[in-house]
Amino acid sequence: AQSVTQLDSQVPVFEEAPVELRCNYSSSVSVYLFWYVQYPNQGLQLLLKYLSGSTLVKGINGFEAEFNKSQTSFHLRKPSVHISDTAEYFCAVSHSGGYQKVTFGTGTKLQVIP
Amino acid sequence: EPEVTQTPSHQVTQMGQEVILRCVPISNHLYFYWYRQILGQKVEFLVSFYNNEISEKSEIFDDQFSVERPDGSNFTLKIRSTKLEDSAMYFCASSMGTTGANVLTFGAGSRLTVL
Repeated sequence: AQSVTQLDSQVPVFEEAPVELRCNYSSSVSVYLFWYVQYPNQGLQLLLKYLSGSTLVKGINGFEAEFNKSQTSFHLRKPSVHISDTAEYFCAVSHSGGYQKVTFGTGTKLQVIP
Repeated sequence: EPEVTQTPSHQVTQMGQEVILRCVPISNHLYFYWYRQILGQKVEFLVSFYNNEISEKSEIFDDQFSVERPDGSNFTLKIRSTKLEDSAMYFCASSMGTTGANVLTFGAGSRLTVL
């Protein structure tokens, strides 16, 4: 079974500062990795995904994440955050290969301070 | 852009009542899911559905829950006799589920409040 750990439940950061949201996964087989964002009172929106190939993946809204197999990590980064990035961010994992259940982490609330 | 639509957006019900949450997945998707998010907690997998049958379910998905695709477009989650602890946001999702990554597209959610 796969699992995801998001160590930081809340991350406050000043506007225009860089941010990194941490995600570590556990799986005995190859995985696909995802970051989803949930804005207040809204559903889950896919931010980016890692399937294979380049370990650095770019997503929407200027976010990027790097897959590190040796450290089993998939940290999300943005070089300069905006107020509108205030949301909850969920890291998720599934086993690779066609249909597989997606398992979510506990989420990290990003609070951008003006 | 295709989207998953869910109704109702919010439902309030009395404990013990039956509730049906409805979802219209993306039309060419093959796999359908229900996830649950209790306020302030993680998003939890409930059930996945493919080819008109449940393909996987979690321990949360007990006999009080059922899913159905009654007409080829809607996908419903029924809670037969709601409990207080069923209060949560319920998300429907769908995916192609074929070769390649199983990328889920989520609906906006249905908030269920059980009194």
